Amino acid sequence: AQRVTQPEKLLSVFKGAPVELKCNYSYSGSPELFWYVQYSRQRLQLLLRHISRESIKGFTADLNKGETSFHLKKPFAQEEDSAMYYCALSGHNFNKFYFGSGTKLNVKP
Amino acid sequence: DTGVSQDPRHKITKRGQNVTFRCDPISEHNRLYWYRQTLGQGPEFLTYFQNEAQLEKSRLLSDRFSAERPKGSFSTLEIQRTEQGDSAMYLCASSQIGQGPAKNIQYFGAGTRLSVL
Repeated sequence: AQRVTQPEKLLSVFKGAPVELKCNYSYSGSPELFWYVQYSRQRLQLLLRHISRESIKGFTADLNKGETSFHLKKPFAQEEDSAMYYCALSGHNFNKFYFGSGTKLNVKP
Repeated sequence: DTGVSQDPRHKITKRGQNVTFRCDPISEHNRLYWYRQTLGQGPEFLTYFQNEAQLEKSRLLSDRFSAERPKGSFSTLEIQRTEQGDSAMYLCASSQIGQGPAKNIQYFGAGTRLSVL
């Protein structure tokens, strides 16, 4: 069955510390992986996707098919990174998306 | 274009009543998705349209739920005989299907929060 697991509901780090938000998935085909972010009082928006292989706001994520993971990383967290982060999975035809339950990142000053 | 818009933003209804939500996608987007989100959970897929055709429905979508996209533009989601368990945030997203990194990205609306008393 298709599933996205984000094991941490809350992650608190100090400003300047590295951060890693974990995402593991289960999917029978070739997955498309995404990270979405929701800042306070804002709508859900795309942060990055694995096929782009780019860094957005200092965040990167590498798809590891062997470990079925797509962890989100940033070397130096900033206070403005505090938000809710959702990992999402789709098939190659993007007809259905599966979201994890989200991780709330709290960056302390 | 100001993005995906949803109306109303909040809806309070009594159990047993019917409710209808509207979603206006980004104008050139041919795909439109509906999700439901409850507290502490991520969005759960309900259904999606490509143009006016409804191509996929989740098993979460009971017979009381129906969605339409009559002209391939805006969409409506109707819930009949609402139950307290229907209380949730209902999200709409749209995308443009195709090849390339700018395609197949979902843009979300702000959602309609439904409270069933």
